[in-house]
Amino acid sequence: GQSLEQPSEVTAVEGAIVQINCTYQTSGFYGLSWYQQHDGGAPTFLSYNALDGLEETGRFSSFLSRSDSYGYLLLQELQMKDSASYFCAVPYSGGYQKVTFGTGTKLQVIP
Amino acid sequence: NAGVTQTPKFRILKIGQSMTLQCTQDMNHNYMYWYRQDPGMGLKLIYYSVGAGITDKGEVPNGYNVSRSTTEDFPLRLELAAPSQTSVYFCASQTGGMYGTEAFFGQGTRLTVV
Repeated sequence: GQSLEQPSEVTAVEGAIVQINCTYQTSGFYGLSWYQQHDGGAPTFLSYNALDGLEETGRFSSFLSRSDSYGYLLLQELQMKDSASYFCAVPYSGGYQKVTFGTGTKLQVIP
Repeated sequence: NAGVTQTPKFRILKIGQSMTLQCTQDMNHNYMYWYRQDPGMGLKLIYYSVGAGITDKGEVPNGYNVSRSTTEDFPLRLELAAPSQTSVYFCASQTGGMYGTEAFFGQGTRLTVV
């Protein structure tokens, strides 16, 4: 089966750096995606890692270690608008058309 | 460009009633999905489709049905609504064909069954 683990909540100070971790178990691995969801809103795609290493997109970076079944999302220069839930996701084994989402990490950015 | 449009945005159903949640996308995406999200939880896949005329079950399909007669539309049917179906429902689409392509989500339908 598939399973993903994320911390349920993280609090960080505006302007700081925060890392949100995700560990996964899956019988067939195609990559790790990250989505952001503001309260009451729809999930929006942030990044996708298929290979080991760090992918940088502006203030957000995502890291993957396939050997450790582990990834993280790094948010730099935190802004109040970054307060949201962040979900990691992996495709179902046997087909990338289906995706399993983690339960999400609620990030609160404080002044 | 409207993206993925869901209707209605909110709905209250009585136990045993039925309804159809509408989803339309204008990006010519082959892959479409229905998820439900319970409070404080992640998204659970209900059904998905890889093209017109092709649908398959996801993780939590019981109590739901879907159809895909066109590329654009992917309605979700709830038969005999139950309180356990109170949730936020999201429709999504993506191009498919490559791993990790971005999924685009609609704004959700907030359903309460009483």
